[in-house]
Amino acid sequence: AQTVTQSQPEMSVQEAETVTLSCTYDTSESDYYLFWYKQPPSRQMILVIRQEAYKQQNATENRFSVNFQKAAKSFSLKISDSQLGDAAMYFCAYRSAYTSGSRLTFGEGTQLTVNP
Amino acid sequence: EPEVTQTPSHQVTQMGQEVILRCVPISNHLYFYWYRQILGQKVEFLVSFYNNEISEKSEIFDDQFSVERPDGSNFTLKIRSTKLEDSAMYFCASGTGGLGHSPLHFGNGTRLTVT
Repeated sequence: AQTVTQSQPEMSVQEAETVTLSCTYDTSESDYYLFWYKQPPSRQMILVIRQEAYKQQNATENRFSVNFQKAAKSFSLKISDSQLGDAAMYFCAYRSAYTSGSRLTFGEGTQLTVNP
Repeated sequence: EPEVTQTPSHQVTQMGQEVILRCVPISNHLYFYWYRQILGQKVEFLVSFYNNEISEKSEIFDDQFSVERPDGSNFTLKIRSTKLEDSAMYFCASGTGGLGHSPLHFGNGTRLTVT
């Protein structure tokens, strides 16, 4: 079974600064997808960014980028030019590429605080 | 942009009662899911549903739980004889394709409080 670990329960960053959230995972599969979801106080789950394991190039979405290290099974999220609206719980998630309808497996989450 | 909608947003029930949580997935999606998040904990997979049957379920999804797509648009989660530990946020999600590349779209969740 796959597991996802986020070792930072809480992180904080100053507005306009850069912060990196860590995620590691364990799997025996070679093809899979990794995701970062944002959960603001409203509790809605919002997709931030997605990475395909067979792609070496790191995904980017505006101020959000990832550092995907497949051999190390590491998938960190970098938020540049942090904004107050970035404050939320961030979840890393894994999904198999082999099974139809496969589940998302989430990490424990990292609570990000953005200080003005 | 189409959304997954969940009702009610908050449900309070007494221990031992049955509850039904409702979800309307995005209309062209084929795969449907329920997840649970106990306060302060990670989001946990409960069940996935495709072609009118369960495709996968977790160890949490025991005989107390059932899912149904009664009318081609709604997707429901029924919890029989609720327990205090069922108090959690329940998220419905849907997706277009079964393989991992298609992201899941989540609803805003139903907060279930069992007293």
